[in-house]
Amino acid sequence: ETGVTQTPRHLVMGMTNKKSLKCEQHLGHNAMYWYKQSAKKPLELMFVYSLEERVENNSVPSRFSPECPNSSHLFLHLHTLQPEDSALYLCASSQVASSPPYKNIQYFGAGTRLSVL
Amino acid sequence: GESVGLHLPTLSVQEGDNSIINCAYSNSASDYFIWYKQESGKGPQFIIDIRSNMDKRQGQRVTVLLNKTVKHLSLQIAATQPGDSAVYFCAENRMDSSYKLIFGSGTRLLVRP
Repeated sequence: ETGVTQTPRHLVMGMTNKKSLKCEQHLGHNAMYWYKQSAKKPLELMFVYSLEERVENNSVPSRFSPECPNSSHLFLHLHTLQPEDSALYLCASSQVASSPPYKNIQYFGAGTRLSVL
Repeated sequence: GESVGLHLPTLSVQEGDNSIINCAYSNSASDYFIWYKQESGKGPQFIIDIRSNMDKRQGQRVTVLLNKTVKHLSLQIAATQPGDSAVYFCAENRMDSSYKLIFGSGTRLLVRP
């Protein structure tokens, strides 16, 4: 166990559905992340929350909506997705430093395998 | 543009042999370099990291080497075992960002029995 739990592990949804991915970390970290992992592509950073404030949004389409109610929980709300959004969605957490040197070792959950039909 | 990339997409080794996985990076402004292992059906798992002021760091059966002159990073696995079969990613922790990691595309390691 990595200390980062993601649910559900698998999700199949239609293009008109609304669903949410959930992530919980038990490591006491102050930052949480959503990544998208597609076949043969590097990990793509989608969102970063540091101290529950969104600090990065990498031009992600608005059909993906993150929510971070507290430092231990992170959600990714999905609606009207496209087939090309099918991928593995990974959540991670880390303890980020307030000043250099930045040693940001991120710990990942097992991911949610999403299929959009 | 900036990138962290891997030379070999797939590496096949005999069980018991040593494995060397390589990674090239293009930007010198990094504090740390990190190696991750991702097994099938799992998320990336932290293996070992090295700070930019070091050349070598050893862990249990793994060694990371950093050559800043040619911007090259390698992960050496001693006495490779079937359980080492996975995709290995290098990642770069930039000096100008406390939270952003730049990941390489990954190398798949296959261990032949």
